[in-house]
Amino acid sequence: DADVTQTPRNRITKTGKRIMLECSQTKGHDRMYWYRQDPGLGLQLIYYSFDVKDINKGEISDGYSVSRQAQAKFSLSLESAIPNQTALYFCATRDRGTDTQYFGPGTRLTVL
Amino acid sequence: QKEVEQNSGPLSVPEGAIASLNCTYSDRGSQSFFWYRQYSGKSPELIMFIYSNGDKEDGRFTAQLNKASQYVSLLIRDSQPSDSATYLCAVNERSPSGGGADGLTFGKGTHLIIQP
Repeated sequence: DADVTQTPRNRITKTGKRIMLECSQTKGHDRMYWYRQDPGLGLQLIYYSFDVKDINKGEISDGYSVSRQAQAKFSLSLESAIPNQTALYFCATRDRGTDTQYFGPGTRLTVL
Repeated sequence: QKEVEQNSGPLSVPEGAIASLNCTYSDRGSQSFFWYRQYSGKSPELIMFIYSNGDKEDGRFTAQLNKASQYVSLLIRDSQPSDSATYLCAVNERSPSGGGADGLTFGKGTHLIIQP
């Protein structure tokens, strides 16, 4: 079984709709991250969380919000989706011992 | 602002040859360095990490770090067609086990093509 899972894997939605992307992990890591990836732009950090009560904005948090429901679950919401939020979204966890980040399989989001 | 620079490529290498991927970073406080491989449409997967100056070998892969020059590289020996992918360099300004405020800073990646 995958250590970091994301749902849905693909989603097509319309402008103005609210959408939630979910991430779960069984690695036991307390640190979790949300990134988006656009062609030619690399990975950009949206939000990160050190634990349930500690959530921080990344470099491109505008238009997004997050919820850390438990150590193992970290959700990303788009309150009112817009077309330039069309991208590949990755959740990741972090091993404190090695600083290594482990990525989920990604969610491909298309906003029409 | 922290920056990680990579040549976007494509870098074309014959099968069986050595592929050399390079990365430079702007933050002298960077302490942890990572190489990820990403196939098209898939998630990044860790190849290896390096913390200290010098070389670190793992199978066909060797990471090289030069903190004075703010340079990290990845060598892939005996390149195979399955090595064709985008390779992402990532850095973190915190020391290992010291936590970190904001995750890794990624380069945009180098697209590597291994020609059969």
